[in-house]
Amino acid sequence: NAGVTQTPKFQVLKTGQSMTLQCAQDMNHNSMYWYRQDPGMGLRLIYYSASEGTTDKGEVPNGYNVSRLNKREFSLRLESAAPSQTSVYFCASSVDSINNSPLHFGNGTRLTVT
Amino acid sequence: GDSVTQMEGPVTLSEEAFLTINCTYTATGYPSLFWYVQYPGEGLQLLLKATKADDKGSNKGFEATYRKETTSFHLEKGSVQVSDSAVYFCALTQRRALTFGSGTRLQVQP
Repeated sequence: NAGVTQTPKFQVLKTGQSMTLQCAQDMNHNSMYWYRQDPGMGLRLIYYSASEGTTDKGEVPNGYNVSRLNKREFSLRLESAAPSQTSVYFCASSVDSINNSPLHFGNGTRLTVT
Repeated sequence: GDSVTQMEGPVTLSEEAFLTINCTYTATGYPSLFWYVQYPGEGLQLLLKATKADDKGSNKGFEATYRKETTSFHLEKGSVQVSDSAVYFCALTQRRALTFGSGTRLQVQP
C-alpha cells in the first residue's frame, strides 16, 4: 500500500541547474498538489491539479512548472534553481478538491540549492 | 485571503499532562477545518477534521471543536504520551487546496 511516492528523497543542486521532482499516487485520486515547507512558515501551496489535464497556481508558483502526466503522476520542475528554493517539498493527493476531502502526503524531498 | 494562525512552539510537556494547541482562522464563508500531524522524517497525516460549526473532530485521544463565533479550532488531549511528540498543523479549506498554519512542535518528556 504505497500511497503517495516521491523521488528523490534528497537532492543538492547548484544555482542555475534544473531538475524535476517526481510524484505518483496509487489511490486513484483525482486531485494532486505540490507544497513547500520552510521553517516557521508551515506549508505553502506551489501548484495543484484538481483533475487530470488541469493545473492551477497556488500561493508561491514563481520559479516552478508542473505537469500532470496522467491521473497517477504529477511532477514539479525547477528550470533554473535558486538558493531561495532550498526547502522540503511535499506532494499530496486527495479524492477531489471540491468536497474538502483530506490530503494524503508523500514523505517529502529535501532540496538544497547552493 | 484565508489564513490560519497557530501558537508558536515548541510546547514542552511531561507525560500525562494536558495539551492545548491554539488555532484561529480567517476566512470568508464556511471552511472545513483540519489538524494534521507530522512525525520526524515523514509527511503530514490527517489527525482529525470538522466540516461545520460546533462539530467536534476526534482521533487517538485528540479533540478539536469548530467554534465559528471565535473562529477557532483548538487541539486538546487529556493525557499526552512521549509518542505524541511531533509537529501539529492546523489547516482550512474552502473548495480548494489546504491553507496551513505555521505548525507547532510538541515535545513530550518522560
